[in-house]
Amino acid sequence: GAGVSQSPSNKVTEKGKDVELRCDPISGHTALYWYRQSLGQGLEFLIYFQGNSAPDKSGLPSDRFSAERTGGSVSTLTIQRTQQEDSAVYLCASSPNGRTVGAEQYFGPGTRLTVT
Amino acid sequence: GENVEQHPSTLSVQEGDSAVIKCTYSDSASNYFPWYKQELGKGPQLIIDIRSNVGEKKDQRIAVTLNKTAKHFSLHITETQPEDSAVYFCAARYSSASKIIFGSGTRLSIRP
Repeated sequence: GAGVSQSPSNKVTEKGKDVELRCDPISGHTALYWYRQSLGQGLEFLIYFQGNSAPDKSGLPSDRFSAERTGGSVSTLTIQRTQQEDSAVYLCASSPNGRTVGAEQYFGPGTRLTVT
Repeated sequence: GENVEQHPSTLSVQEGDSAVIKCTYSDSASNYFPWYKQELGKGPQLIIDIRSNVGEKKDQRIAVTLNKTAKHFSLHITETQPEDSAVYFCAARYSSASKIIFGSGTRLSIRP
């Protein structure tokens, strides 16, 4: 079956521009997560959605970062006025239920963002 | 705040030998500990997990052990093969939150 998909796979943008990253979770998964992975680093939690609401957005690094989810499905992560330090791979994951302790998170392939 | 430390950052072992990766966590309320494998250009994939009410879990060549008292857990890969080469991440989740905190990763290389 279809896994988590993300688009674009690569994005190069100029400093100061806005970017939108898209995540299509596995159908029926109610929980959706965004992570950031800098080169050679671990995964940094950004935000968690349960349905269309975001009960935990504690990882968003600044007010330039925002995310939304509509119809309990697709999510977009928006970065405004991009900075060079925003360059990273942005990973999305979905899970059948974010409230279940052992619910597996299924990751997408990520979007590699490069800010020049 | 919650924190997960992972060691070593890189590990090279001879094919057929065992590999061990260790992690410690800070929040004693953590109750779920997954391990992920990430191959080049792909997202992480769950390979094994363990809950806090279990001390050890095994799945073929991989096993995970958990010491709740010491707040550390380890991944053991036996009879390593070239396809085991990847970056491995440990993680921890505590019951009052839905997010998972990841370690910094271990790059495992298997020498032929």
